[in-house]
Amino acid sequence: QKEVEQNSGPLSVPEGAIASLNCTYSDRVSQSFFWYRQYSGKSPELIMSIYSNGDKEDGRFTAQLNKASQYVSLLIRDSQPSDSATYLCAVSKNNNDMRFGAGTRLTVKP
Amino acid sequence: KAGVTQTPRYLIKTRGQQVTLSCSPISGHRSVSWYQQTPGQGLQFLFEYFSETQRNKGNFPGRFSGRQFSNSRSEMNVSTLELGDSALYLCASSSQGAGTGELFFGEGSRLTVL
Repeated sequence: QKEVEQNSGPLSVPEGAIASLNCTYSDRVSQSFFWYRQYSGKSPELIMSIYSNGDKEDGRFTAQLNKASQYVSLLIRDSQPSDSATYLCAVSKNNNDMRFGAGTRLTVKP
Repeated sequence: KAGVTQTPRYLIKTRGQQVTLSCSPISGHRSVSWYQQTPGQGLQFLFEYFSETQRNKGNFPGRFSGRQFSNSRSEMNVSTLELGDSALYLCASSSQGAGTGELFFGEGSRLTVL
């Protein structure tokens, strides 16, 4: 079982729709959870972090965490073509490592 | 503020050779972590250095090694290269540690092993 699992996609949504990206993790002691966005040919960049159960909203992005289910999700509202990228879920259980999922490729069609 | 700099950006090696990659973190950042990115496996954690000490290591063979210098610059070395080592190697810098928050990634070193 991989430490962090994501559906590889591709996930395709029309412009203006809600994109829902999901992630599960295997280690129950994980404490910190992150979503990174990676455009094609570019390096990953952090878009959201979440540390406690519930929802965290930042503009069009909402991260959701359920530690009991070991599940993290990212919702992108009013999706734009510029949101087309690979989204990486990352999980940390201590200060000195970060484990990434393989990423979900999102395409937003105009 | 200068970003994370990785060199070289591209390199081609043959099986059995060894390679050294370099990463200069953001000024003031003491943590450098390394990742291997391949299409099938995604981003896989190699190791993390903090103030010249390796604090954590991923599930890679001993052919993969690294070090960090007093100026926080880091190098990683891969010996006895195999075809499967072809990948994009990314380093990331952080002020407090690889797992504490935002990682700032370099543009990567793309290694091709023939």
